[in-house]
Amino acid sequence: KAGVTQTPRYLIKTRGQQVTLSCSPISGHRSVSWYQQTPGQGLQFLFEYFSETQRNKGNFPGRFSGRQFSNSRSEMNVSTLELGDSALYLCASLQREGGNEQFFGPGTRLTVL
Amino acid sequence: GIQVEQSPPDLILQEGANSTLRCNFSDSVNNLQWFHQNPWGQLINLFYIPSGTKQNGRLSATTVATERYSLLYISSSQTTDSGVYFCAVQYAGKSTFGDGTTLTVKP
Repeated sequence: KAGVTQTPRYLIKTRGQQVTLSCSPISGHRSVSWYQQTPGQGLQFLFEYFSETQRNKGNFPGRFSGRQFSNSRSEMNVSTLELGDSALYLCASLQREGGNEQFFGPGTRLTVL
Repeated sequence: GIQVEQSPPDLILQEGANSTLRCNFSDSVNNLQWFHQNPWGQLINLFYIPSGTKQNGRLSATTVATERYSLLYISSSQTTDSGVYFCAVQYAGKSTFGDGTTLTVKP
């Protein structure tokens, strides 16, 4: 079974731009969660999607948004990028809503200049 | 929200030594996982252990949910065990990670 894939792996943007990251979960998994990892704040939960609906959300501003498609693939978007958005963005695949074992993708490393 | 504390924050060992990493959490949780983050940033699943004890080779883990802690044991450590170890708890659909334990195993 293929693992979780994330694209792109690396991204460089400038302040004010927007960015879209993609995550494809493990086949058969219907839930996707997104996390931001920074040296200062550690790993923080962004949001969780199940069956194309956002089920849970962390404490991030509205510039961070996401969606999930009918094939369970998910995208997250960050608008009006700030320097502090530079981070490793990780997505996790779960078989069902609400939690069980999470499997993580390799991450997208975003640098905002 | 739930607070997750990991200890120690840093651990330096000689190859062959044993170690115990601890994860305390502030409230009841549905699930608990241990991860090892490799140098490229990927989180590798070690254990999915909401309660009880599991073993996988030189690694084992125990979660005592009623007392709100989990332990990760690494025996006969190897240099390839170096890296950051995270525990993560899930409750009501949200995951909270600890700050991690950075393990350095010296040859």
